[in-house]
Formats: sequence, C-alpha cells, structure tokens
Amino acid sequence: EPEVTQTPSHQVTQMGQEVILRCVPISNHLYFYWYRQILGQKVEFLVSFYNNEISEKSEIFDDQFSVERPDGSNFTLKIRSTKLEDSAMYFCAGHKTQETQYFGPGTRLLVL
Amino acid sequence: AQSVTQLGSHVSVSEGALVLLRCNYSSSVPPYLFWYVQYPNQGLQLLLKYTTGATLVKGINGFEAEFKKSETSFHLTKPSAHMSDAAEYFCAVSHSGGYQKVTFGTGTKLQVIP
Repeated sequence: EPEVTQTPSHQVTQMGQEVILRCVPISNHLYFYWYRQILGQKVEFLVSFYNNEISEKSEIFDDQFSVERPDGSNFTLKIRSTKLEDSAMYFCAGHKTQETQYFGPGTRLLVL
Repeated sequence: AQSVTQLGSHVSVSEGALVLLRCNYSSSVPPYLFWYVQYPNQGLQLLLKYTTGATLVKGINGFEAEFKKSETSFHLTKPSAHMSDAAEYFCAVSHSGGYQKVTFGTGTKLQVIP
C-alpha cells in the first residue's frame, strides 16, 4: 500500500535558524496538509494546499511559515526563523477527492 | 465549523475489561469521523473511520465505534482490554467531500491495569 513519507524523522536546530521539513505524498493525491502536535497536546491544523496554492491556514501559520510543492512530488514546510515554541511533531497528510486523509509518520523538531 | 470533544483525558481499565472512550462531535455538514491511536514518541495510526454507510465501524486490534447522528457521538469500544492497548487515543472529524481539514480532539490516555 502506498505511504506518505516524511524526512527527516528528527531534526534539532538552534533558535533563529531556518528549517525545511519534507513530505512525499502519495502520487495521485490532490489535497495536502500540514499539522503539528506540541508534546503532550492535541494535533492542530496548520495549513492546507490545493492546486498549488494555500486554501486555508490557521492562526498558527504566521509569516514565519511557508509551504511549497516545487516539483509536483515533494511538499515542504519551511520555518524561516525558528522559535523555541516551534518544537513539535509535524505531520504531513494528503488525499484524493472524496477519500479520507493519509498521514505521514511525522518529523520531530526540537528547537534549542 | 467542526469540533470534537473527548470526555476524560485519562481512562483506566483492568486487563480484560471493556474499553469505552467517549467522543462527541460538531459539524455543519455530514462528517467523516476517525479514531487514531498514538504510542509514546510515535506517529498517528488510524484505528477506524466512518465515512458513509453502516454506522457500526470495525477497526484494527478489535476496536469498533458507532456513529450516532442523533447523539452526535462516535464512541470507541473494545470488549476486552489488552496491555498493548495502553496508548493515547484521538477522535477526529473532517468534512466529507473534496476539502477535508481534520480537527482532532484533545485525546484520551488509556491505562490498562494488569
């Protein structure tokens, strides 16, 4: 069965540094999402992406965040200048029309 | 708008006892409903989902859930708890159709007592 993959599985970075989290969605998916889960908390929606543009973003998704699907396969989340509170597990997800989402295994980001 | 309420942030059951984790949802359109399980420091594993059709949904590891529209509930049950069921469980809702942002509940930690 096809899977969503995410790299890296773990990333440690210094506060203020830029990070790029990568996701490879299932090839025929059309809608893409990023979610995050701060340790011990629930999973929160960050942003959705369809037809090469953002369709919805949460209040968490401020100017420090951006998403891209540069080559039709990878789907990336960039954090321009990381803060301590960006430490979390980040999940990528995707789906086809009328089907439910498939989640990736997550990237654990630690900002020091 | 959509939301999920999970009653009980922590639930303890004895091994072999019934597991019941409660979830109520709110959705302005027909929902898709999900239960996910998360083990410590791991990702989300889909236990089961309701999209359309039969309201009693069976999932992996002996879990099942029933969609009750009149009660806006989607409670998760398992007849007999196993030690390996100890984990955190998240109920979630999304719209049906094309765009499906998923909204998660706050989670219920299940402890299984030997």
